[in-house]
Amino acid sequence: KNEVEQSPQNLTAQEGEFITINCSYSVGISALHWLQQHPGGGIVSLFMLSSGKKKHGRLIATINIQEKHSSLHITASHPRDSAVYICAVLRTGNQFYFGTGTSLTVIP
Amino acid sequence: DTGVSQDPRHKITKRGQNVTFRCDPISEHNRLYWYRQTLGQGPEFLTYFQNEAQLEKSRLLSDRFSAERPKGSFSTLEIQRTEQGDSAMYLCASSQDFSEQFFGPGTRLTVL
Repeated sequence: KNEVEQSPQNLTAQEGEFITINCSYSVGISALHWLQQHPGGGIVSLFMLSSGKKKHGRLIATINIQEKHSSLHITASHPRDSAVYICAVLRTGNQFYFGTGTSLTVIP
Repeated sequence: DTGVSQDPRHKITKRGQNVTFRCDPISEHNRLYWYRQTLGQGPEFLTYFQNEAQLEKSRLLSDRFSAERPKGSFSTLEIQRTEQGDSAMYLCASSQDFSEQFFGPGTRLTVL
C-alpha cells in the first residue's frame, strides 16, 4: 500500500466546472505539497501546507492533519489547467513520498 | 533564468554503460533533491543533500547509483552499469531548508 493515495486517478471536466482532487496519507508528516506536472515533464510546486488552507488565484488547497487528508480545488476550470496533479508529503524523517498523480483534462 | 537546470535533457545509452547527470540548483538554496519518475507514476525520492552533505538515501538507490554535491552547489548523479530498468526521468529539485521545492526540467534516460 502506498503511503500516499490520490483520487481520482483520472478526471475529465467541462470548462468552468469546480474540480476537487483528494489526497490521503498514512504517515506522520511535517508538510504536504501539491505539484502540477505538464506533458513533457516539467513540475511546478503549487502549494506547501502544514495546516489549514491556502489560496492562489483559482486554486485552493486544504489540509486536515487529524484526518490525514488534503484536497486541491480548482474553481472555474480552464483547458490550460489540464495536467497531472501530484500530492507529495514530507515525512518527519525528512523523506518525500509522492502519490501517483491525478490526470486532469478540461474540455472546452 | 535563475531556476533549476539539468544537463543533459535526454540521454540514450546502451546497457552496461555508465552515465552521469548534472543538476544546478537555485544558487541560494541549501537543499538539493534527486527523484526518479517512470511513466505513469509519481516521482520517487532517491536522495537529498543539505549543502555538501548527503543526508538521506532511499533504498531505491542501489550500489550502482552515486550522487555527489562536492561544493554544496551543483550535484551529479552517476549510474554505473546501466540496466534497462534504469530508464526513467531523473528529476532534481532545490529548496531553502524545508521551504517550497523548485524542480528542474529533468533528464530522460533511455537504456537500450
